[in-house]
Amino acid sequence: QQQVKQSPQSLIVQKGGISIINCAYENTAFDYFPWYQQFPGKGPALLIAIRPDVSEKKEGRFTISFNKSAKQFSLHIMDSQPGDSATYFCAASNVGNQGGKLIFGQGTELSVKP
Amino acid sequence: NAGVMQNPRHLVRRRGQEARLRCSPMKGHSHVYWYRQLPEEGLKFMVYLQKENIIDESGMPKERFSAEFPKEGPSILRIQQVVRGDSAAYFCASSRYSGAGTEAFFGQGTRLTVV
Repeated sequence: QQQVKQSPQSLIVQKGGISIINCAYENTAFDYFPWYQQFPGKGPALLIAIRPDVSEKKEGRFTISFNKSAKQFSLHIMDSQPGDSATYFCAASNVGNQGGKLIFGQGTELSVKP
Repeated sequence: NAGVMQNPRHLVRRRGQEARLRCSPMKGHSHVYWYRQLPEEGLKFMVYLQKENIIDESGMPKERFSAEFPKEGPSILRIQQVVRGDSAAYFCASSRYSGAGTEAFFGQGTRLTVV
């Protein structure tokens, strides 16, 4: 019940295209859903996050779509660029009971071809 | 304002030795989390600490692993009698609060190799 399932495992997109990464969770107590971006040899960096009281959040080229009834959320990267090539992790937490403890998905390795 | 500082960045230990990983949280942050990342896998939660207290250690292996966050100084993740399976990247994160919408900032990680 603590799992977060992420797909696809890897993704290749042409420059200018849309990258879509999906995550699903089971624990309905989760109330904070961040996405992290990780470059090789670096630590994860927060990209964008959403709470379940909204269905969509947009920051620049990055958008989170959230479907509470389906217990799914996704990251959309518009106008994908080669510099977006990295590993992306979705995560979830129950902020009220467990502080900032994050349950991570397995990661998606994104490659944007020029 | 320096970010989360972890050292060393790379650590090589022989089987049976001890590994000590250090994490200095961001200034003003009193919540520290340790995660382990195995090759080709996501990050797995290990332990959550506040100053001088372990809040949640549900992800820590029962033996050989311990963590502390003293009143003064960095948080330490200690692995005794390391085995090859301990080879991984260990990341520390810190946050200012533990409440709603808390953002956790990650360090660069310590890559442990057991030979």
